[in-house]
Formats: sequence, C-alpha cells, structure tokens
Amino acid sequence: VQLVESGGGVVQPGRSLRLSCAASGFTFSSYGMHWVRQAPGKGLEWVAVISYDGGNEYYADSVRGRFTISRDNSKNTLYLQMNSLRGEDTAVYYCARDSIGAAPDLPPFDPWGQGTLVTVSS
Amino acid sequence: DIQLTQSPSFLSASVGDRVTITCRASQGISNYLAWYQQKPGKAPKLLIYAASTLQSGVPSRFSGSGSGTEFTLTISSLQPEDFATYYCQQLNIYPLTFGGGTKVEIK
Repeated sequence: VQLVESGGGVVQPGRSLRLSCAASGFTFSSYGMHWVRQAPGKGLEWVAVISYDGGNEYYADSVRGRFTISRDNSKNTLYLQMNSLRGEDTAVYYCARDSIGAAPDLPPFDPWGQGTLVTVSS
Repeated sequence: DIQLTQSPSFLSASVGDRVTITCRASQGISNYLAWYQQKPGKAPKLLIYAASTLQSGVPSRFSGSGSGTEFTLTISSLQPEDFATYYCQQLNIYPLTFGGGTKVEIK
C-alpha cells in the first residue's frame, strides 16, 4: 500500500497549484481519501475529504471556496486544486487514506503519503 | 468545530519512564478519537483508534483510554524510538480536527 504525492513547489500569492496523490497496492475506489497539511514547525491541519466514489466532499473552513478535492478512480489518483493561494497555505501537504473502506463511522487515517511542500511566496 | 487541547505540549523523559499525554475535547465525542506518532521529516503514523484500540503492528507499551471529553495516551516504558511528537484527532464529526501535539524529548 503506497501513496505518493506530487505537484508541490513555490507559487506566488493569488496563483493556483494542483497536487496529485498516486495510490497503489489497494483498491483505490473503495476508500475515502483526505488531504492534511502541516505548516513549517506547526501541527497537523485536516484540509478536505472525498468519499470513495467522489459523491461527497467536506472542507476545512480555512480552504472552503478556494480548494477543491477530486479523484479519478480509473487512474488511482487523488487531487487537490488550490486556487487563490495565500502565505498561510504554505505547508507540507499529505494525502491519507481511510484506514477502513466503507466504514459506518469516520475511520482514522492509514496510511499517509510522504508529503509534498507548497510554498506561497512572492 | 470541536477543539482538542493536548497537554503537556512538551515533555522531557528518560528511557524506561512511564509517559501519559492528555487530550481534552471541547464537546463530547464518545470514543471517536485516534492517536498518531510523527517523527521529524516523516508522515504521521496511526497508533490507536476508537480511543483504546491498538493499530496492528504497534507495540503493546502504547495504550489509550477515555471517552466523552477526556482521553489519555500512555507509553508504559519509553523506548529510544518513541521520542517523537504525538497528536490526537477527533473522528466524531466534520471538520475533523487534531490536537496541537505533544513533543516527547529525551531528558
């Protein structure tokens, strides 16, 4: 089971960036997926979740309306489209999988990817 | 939103010590709480879920307890590989939230 993020880099405030998370080793289409971020030297902040079939999405207040989570189950890939980026969006972005597929409650996250760094700076 | 407050935010301990970290929720979350361990430069690792269930492969020196608004993570005998930052997470309702973290360092 592996998750590999890509797409991070340096971007100017107000611009856009799209992150990807390539999944392997499990049936991607059976699991909810999340993005979590961690600003330099800070704690973990949950960003967004998408259900196994893409039918449901939830966002943190800090990114709602600017970020969009999506998935392509045919490509085993999760995405995070980030628009109108701000300095406070600077962080390592992790993708993470629900530990259990089709769970009746909200399951914890396992595994996590290695993260990709996004730096918003002029 | 549900706020999670971890204490202490930092602790210094020796190998072999018993360590307890507390996580308090701003409202009741039943047992919908998980604990993660994060080492520098690495992704978090799931240790405990449903407040007290040990994730497969996690050493039995780790244990969790609590329900409602107060939870604890205990390491019964601290090992060198346990020096890390620990986070609690509530899984009761969206938006999901994490505690601020507890950094465990070598005394």
